[in-house]
Amino acid sequence: EDKVVQSPLSLVVHEGDTVTLNCSYEVTNFRSLLWYKQEKKAPTFLFMLTSSGIEKKSGRLSSILDKKELFSILNITATQTGDSAVYLCAVTSGGGADGLTFGKGTHLIIQP
Amino acid sequence: NAGVMQNPRHLVRRRGQEARLRCSPMKGHSHVYWYRQLPEEGLKFMVYLQKENIIDESGMPKERFSAEFPKEGPSILRIQQVVRGDSAAYFCASSPVSGEGGYTFGSGTRLTVV
Repeated sequence: EDKVVQSPLSLVVHEGDTVTLNCSYEVTNFRSLLWYKQEKKAPTFLFMLTSSGIEKKSGRLSSILDKKELFSILNITATQTGDSAVYLCAVTSGGGADGLTFGKGTHLIIQP
Repeated sequence: NAGVMQNPRHLVRRRGQEARLRCSPMKGHSHVYWYRQLPEEGLKFMVYLQKENIIDESGMPKERFSAEFPKEGPSILRIQQVVRGDSAAYFCASSPVSGEGGYTFGSGTRLTVV
């Protein structure tokens, strides 16, 4: 069974800090790893990673995948209160269900 | 482009009643996925459908739950004889191609069973 573990489960930092969120996985026939941001409603797509070592960036957010060690990190620099959310990591694979397998998420709180 | 539309946003049902949740995928997307999110839990895959076909229902409870995606109209997730443990947020996602990322989520239906 595919498995995704995120850490930490929750994190409280001050505005301006840099945070690193972790995601490790065990999947059969890995295809891709995705990061989502979930506030009150729909998860919104951040990144999709398929290749090791290639950093993806979008503004203050960046992410990288290590397929040898089976993990990914999501970095947020110069955090703002609007970054407060649950960050979800998910994987797709060639084995098992066709959908996404999600971790439990990291609940990030940015204090002013 | 209206995105993935789910309705209703909130649904309250008494134990034993039926719940019907609807999902209209993004324009151009023919793959629909349903997920359930329990409090303090991650999203759990339930079922993957294409038009008129259930492709993978490995995450669906064996009883009381069914899903369809007819040729015309939205995808429907149906829960018969609801119980308190069915209370959760149900999210629908769609994609243009299976397994290629680009999954877009709807805002979810929050089901409360009283």
